[in-house]
Amino acid sequence: GNSVTQMEGPVTLSEEAFLTINCTYTATGYPSLFWYVQYPGEGLQLLLKATKADDKGSNKGFEATYRKETTSFHLEKGSVQVSDSAVYFCALMRGGGSNYKLTFGKGTLLTVNP
Amino acid sequence: GAGVSQSPRYKVAKRGQDVALRCDPISGHVSLFWYQQALGQGPEFLTYFQNEAQLDKSGLPSDRFFAERPEGSVSTLKIQRTQQEDSAVYLCASSLDAAAGGYTFGSGTRLTVV
Repeated sequence: GNSVTQMEGPVTLSEEAFLTINCTYTATGYPSLFWYVQYPGEGLQLLLKATKADDKGSNKGFEATYRKETTSFHLEKGSVQVSDSAVYFCALMRGGGSNYKLTFGKGTLLTVNP
Repeated sequence: GAGVSQSPRYKVAKRGQDVALRCDPISGHVSLFWYQQALGQGPEFLTYFQNEAQLDKSGLPSDRFFAERPEGSVSTLKIQRTQQEDSAVYLCASSLDAAAGGYTFGSGTRLTVV
């Protein structure tokens, strides 16, 4: 079946540090890939997505590239801010027919200190 | 409304009690999803509606769980004879175009069964 494995947290960084959160997936066919972010006390928000191999999703300084050869979709940001502190979830959507459910990883808690 | 609204925000139920969780999606959003998020885990799919039709209920963990969306807008997730393992955050998400994967999530209902 479909599954997503992401980097165990928590991750603690200083402001302006470089961020990488690893995500790999297992799925049949060609899934769409997503990163969602959950700020404290809020619902999950779509951060970025990529729908086919070699696509790069980007938003708010975050980037992730859909790598089919390594089945990966690692999240990166060149310089994190305190306001980036949140839980980050990698997810896939298998798609096809009416199958639009998301399969999520366990989440990675990021804390950025000033 | 501007976002997906869920109520109540918190619910404490005694074991064996029935509970009903409400979701008000964004007006006009055709697709509606329910997810269950246990502590420290990623959300797990429960069920999916397109308008009033329940197209996928494969994630419902037992026949004690029931969801409905009778008029294609508000949805209710009902759990009968609650058990301790039902304790989790229940998330609702809606989407105008489910195939694009960009869902809007509510803040969730935290259910604690004592």
